[in-house]
Amino acid sequence: NAGVTQTPKFQVLKTGQSMTLQCAQDMNHNSMYWYRQDPGMGLRLIYYSASEGTTDKGEVPNGYNVSRLNKREFSLRLESAAPSQTSVYFCASSPRAREITTDTQYFGPGTRLTVL
Amino acid sequence: GQQLNQSPQSMFIQEGEDVSMNCTSSSIFNTWLWYKQDPGEGPVLLIALYKAGELTSNGRLTAQFGTTRKDSFLNISASIPSDVGIYFCAGQLSGGSNYKLTFGKGTLLTVNP
Repeated sequence: NAGVTQTPKFQVLKTGQSMTLQCAQDMNHNSMYWYRQDPGMGLRLIYYSASEGTTDKGEVPNGYNVSRLNKREFSLRLESAAPSQTSVYFCASSPRAREITTDTQYFGPGTRLTVL
Repeated sequence: GQQLNQSPQSMFIQEGEDVSMNCTSSSIFNTWLWYKQDPGEGPVLLIALYKAGELTSNGRLTAQFGTTRKDSFLNISASIPSDVGIYFCAGQLSGGSNYKLTFGKGTLLTVNP
């Protein structure tokens, strides 16, 4: 099992450019998440997908869009990148099975994005 | 919204010393999780706590779910250089469609050999 994988690992964009961050999990998890991590801010939720076919906004969704392509894949798109979106982006997944009342998230290695 | 206060922000200790860090919340949680993040990597789950008052160990790590459900602490005994990293607490209030985590801002641990 590779767990949660993310591509690319590093990316540099110019202001106004667009790009898509890819995430895939091979643990048959139902839920997937996108976070950004900034110095001194911890992890903040951008968007999440509770199950295949659904997506919801998190704490900081502005400037981002997401697509839950299938159960395995959840992508994050920046349509017009801004310097304020310079950050480390983490994808996570969790089982979120109906029969359990608690849920644990597992994280990918991250994508380090710089917007000039 | 929910807020987590994690302290201390950073710690510098000598190898062999014990470490303690904690998180407090403005609201209750059903689950507390502790993650460790190594430089350049994603957070890795260390310990999960599911019941108020629960005390759980994972090797040299011990974590407790506070009885008020608004706090949790993590202890590391006999620290070693590979304990270096950022430790995050996270709270979860599950129920209905809400399984989102709220993260603390992290404790940066440095261990001097």
